[in-house]
Amino acid sequence: GEDVEQSLFLSVREGDSSVINCTYTDSSSTYLYWYKQEPGAGLQLLTYIFSNMDMKQDQRLTVLLNKKDKHLSLRIADTQTGDSAIYFCAEKNSGGSYIPTFGRGTSLIVHP
Amino acid sequence: GAVVSQHPSRVICKSGTSVKIECRSLDFQATTMFWYRQFPKQSLMLMATSNEGSKATYEQGVEKDKFLINHASLTLSTLTVTSAHPEDSSFYICSASSGLNTEAFFGQGTRLTVV
Repeated sequence: GEDVEQSLFLSVREGDSSVINCTYTDSSSTYLYWYKQEPGAGLQLLTYIFSNMDMKQDQRLTVLLNKKDKHLSLRIADTQTGDSAIYFCAEKNSGGSYIPTFGRGTSLIVHP
Repeated sequence: GAVVSQHPSRVICKSGTSVKIECRSLDFQATTMFWYRQFPKQSLMLMATSNEGSKATYEQGVEKDKFLINHASLTLSTLTVTSAHPEDSSFYICSASSGLNTEAFFGQGTRLTVV
């Protein structure tokens, strides 16, 4: 079955870059997503990448995809305390409606 | 992006009572809505998918008589937790999509505590 794995915690200093990693098993994944969840809130879609892309950059966010290794990463440049949250990786294949498979989430803690 | 509003954000209820959670798409028509449950330090578990005007499709292991889902209009879906027990305490999140294969937008979640 489908599986998405993430490390559970990441701690960085304010101003440094954060890199959150994710691996998935479904080779038919077409869409790969990064969501942010702040405490007590729902999920906010940060960015997504299609499987035919290697990289996508959006302001401070850079997504890298290694399709061969089924590895996805999210880099946050100049990490701020407001970036502290849980980040979920999710994947979806091209069929069916919008039901992605989520990882367990990486809790990012940013120290001043 | 589109806005999905979930209400209430927090609710505390007594064991044995029922609780209704609303999920509204404020600026688009949601043909499909999804209900998730999130346990502490765990990912989202899809409970059910509902299409407007149809019965919800429940994931394996989710009791449909326990978690009643209604999607009577293109902007509103409700989840009713019937005869709630403390083990039903959780964070429930809805998401809404305007059609097949399009992006889904998430509500802010509802923290349910059953005492």
